[in-house]
Amino acid sequence: GENVEQHPSTLSVQEGDSAVIKCTYSDSASNYFPWYKQELGKGPQLIIDIRSNVGEKKDQRIAVTLNKTAKHFSLHITETQPEDSAVYFCAAEKLVFGKGTKLTVNP
Amino acid sequence: DTAVSQTPKYLVTQMGNDKSIKCEQNLGHDTMYWYKQDSKKFLKIMFSYNNKELIINETVPNRFSPKSPDKAHLNLHINSLELGDSAVYFCASSQEGTVAPQNEQFFGPGTRLTVL
Repeated sequence: GENVEQHPSTLSVQEGDSAVIKCTYSDSASNYFPWYKQELGKGPQLIIDIRSNVGEKKDQRIAVTLNKTAKHFSLHITETQPEDSAVYFCAAEKLVFGKGTKLTVNP
Repeated sequence: DTAVSQTPKYLVTQMGNDKSIKCEQNLGHDTMYWYKQDSKKFLKIMFSYNNKELIINETVPNRFSPKSPDKAHLNLHINSLELGDSAVYFCASSQEGTVAPQNEQFFGPGTRLTVL
């Protein structure tokens, strides 16, 4: 079955800096890669997703890149703000999640 | 106008008890899920139902029994609760088609279960 590895487990950045979270997956047949943001005490919420027919997708300060050959995908957050602080999860084929990255943006 | 709702939000109970968590979605989705999030924040799929039929049943003790009375509801019943069942349980839903690509999951707010 699919296995997803996510790094780093914790990430601390200064406000305004960029943050990058990386994930690798094992099943080359996987075609859908969502990213979720989970704020304290809440359920995960989709922030961006990418399908295997594209290599990059951007939505304002958030972008995701996908390298199908290497089986890895990354989340990029630019101009980070304190409200970006949360736990971020990657997933492959929607149901297999990485172990999460706790992002802290320091003012 | 909550999309996916769960009750209760908190559940504290003794070992050996039986308890249920309810989930409802008003999005008209045909697929619903239960996830378990442990103390390390690891999210793991437990069950998936499509149109009231079980389609995914991961390695979960048979003390856990999901029940879907209709497309909008997926309840989770847990028998003989154990300490290790303590976690946050999330319900989610999505709209899946027979041919369409996979679509966004909408998660509920979670139910924090504490077994004493």
